[in-house]
Amino acid sequence: GAVVSQHPSRVICKSGTSVKIECRSLDFQATTMFWYRQFPKQSLMLMATSNEGSKATYEQGVEKDKFLINHASLTLSTLTVTSAHPEDSSFYICSAPNGLAGGTDTQYFGPGTRLTVL
Amino acid sequence: GENVEQHPSTLSVQEGDSAVIKCTYSDSASNYFPWYKQELGKGPQLIIDIRSNVGEKKDQRIAVTLNKTAKHFSLHITETQPEDSAVYFCAASRLNSGYALNFGKGTSLLVTP
Repeated sequence: GAVVSQHPSRVICKSGTSVKIECRSLDFQATTMFWYRQFPKQSLMLMATSNEGSKATYEQGVEKDKFLINHASLTLSTLTVTSAHPEDSSFYICSAPNGLAGGTDTQYFGPGTRLTVL
Repeated sequence: GENVEQHPSTLSVQEGDSAVIKCTYSDSASNYFPWYKQELGKGPQLIIDIRSNVGEKKDQRIAVTLNKTAKHFSLHITETQPEDSAVYFCAASRLNSGYALNFGKGTSLLVTP
């Protein structure tokens, strides 16, 4: 299957600082990528849709000025958590649909980034 | 929007037994139903998916069934092994729409030796 990577896998930062998380599709191109957040023992919650060449689309309740998304290329999307606070501590996961694989929309997920804000 | 319900939230079976997880969805336009396995601290891994033009799909010990009329689909794992222990998520979406997946709340499966 297709491979999606995330970097870093784990980050600890002080309150008030910004953190950037990268999501890369390694062996396919993705015009769209999705960012999810997952709290312990809960399901994945969609935060935003990252679109190459246009602005990201945010889900209701997600602050676009706090969670900056940039789809820099067909293989890279970044999520920047600005002025992070302890309540932003979570597991952030990206996914990318491999629409080139036989016309499917199979989504492949990255390994996730564990953010801890002190 | 789409609402996906998943049951049970926890499931414990003995090694070798079968496990069944059920999901229902609300949006009749949904036509793509993947299942993901998530191990602790890792991202979800696609294990099987089904499209609405198919009623059943099987891959070795894993099978998924879909009832479009009733809007429900199920994951069946036969001959369970301890390494099957994980959280399983069902999801629903529309193909070729650019829509993100709508996830169920997950089922924590424990397979005891």
